[in-house]
Amino acid sequence: SQQGEEDPQALSIQEGENATMNCSYKTSINNLQWYRQNSGRGLVHLILIRSNEREKHSGRLRVTLDTSKKSSSLLITASRAADTASYFCATDASGNTPLVFGKGTRLSVIA
Amino acid sequence: EPEVTQTPSHQVTQMGQEVILRCVPISNHLYFYWYRQILGQKVEFLVSFYNNEISEKSEIFDDQFSVERPDGSNFTLKIRSTKLEDSAMYFCASSETRGYEKLFFGSGTQLSVL
Repeated sequence: SQQGEEDPQALSIQEGENATMNCSYKTSINNLQWYRQNSGRGLVHLILIRSNEREKHSGRLRVTLDTSKKSSSLLITASRAADTASYFCATDASGNTPLVFGKGTRLSVIA
Repeated sequence: EPEVTQTPSHQVTQMGQEVILRCVPISNHLYFYWYRQILGQKVEFLVSFYNNEISEKSEIFDDQFSVERPDGSNFTLKIRSTKLEDSAMYFCASSETRGYEKLFFGSGTQLSVL
């Protein structure tokens, strides 16, 4: 299974701090994506990083990918209370294999 | 911003009954998906659909499940004879390109089987 596993399962930080979430996976991937899910809502795509990329930025988000370690990290800088959500990594082994999600990291940002 | 819409938001049914979950994907998207999430658990892939046929399906998507695109806008998931373990949040998603890149998800239908 290529399923990603996020770490930690839960993270609680103060507003303004940085939040780092990690994802490990088992097989070679085509790309890795991060999604956010607010409580009771659908998933929202945040960022995609391809297997030949090492780092990507989008606003306050920074994603790294280390294919040798089969791991990725998502950094949210200067966190806000509105960042409170579950964050999932998702991988696919090739362009035609289903996106497989991990169990997610529950992030709580305390104002 | 365009969005995927799902109806109903909540569905309660008796075990053994048929349910149909409805979705309207984003209009210019060609690839459609159903995922489900049991409370507090991972998001599980059910099926992908393109060009009026199933592209991939998971082990969960057995003979009790079917999908259909009855017209140019709707995409439905039918469960013929619901089981207690089918209780979950069902998410529809769509994407513009192939390759499972950047899926747009609906807000989900919470299915409760009693």
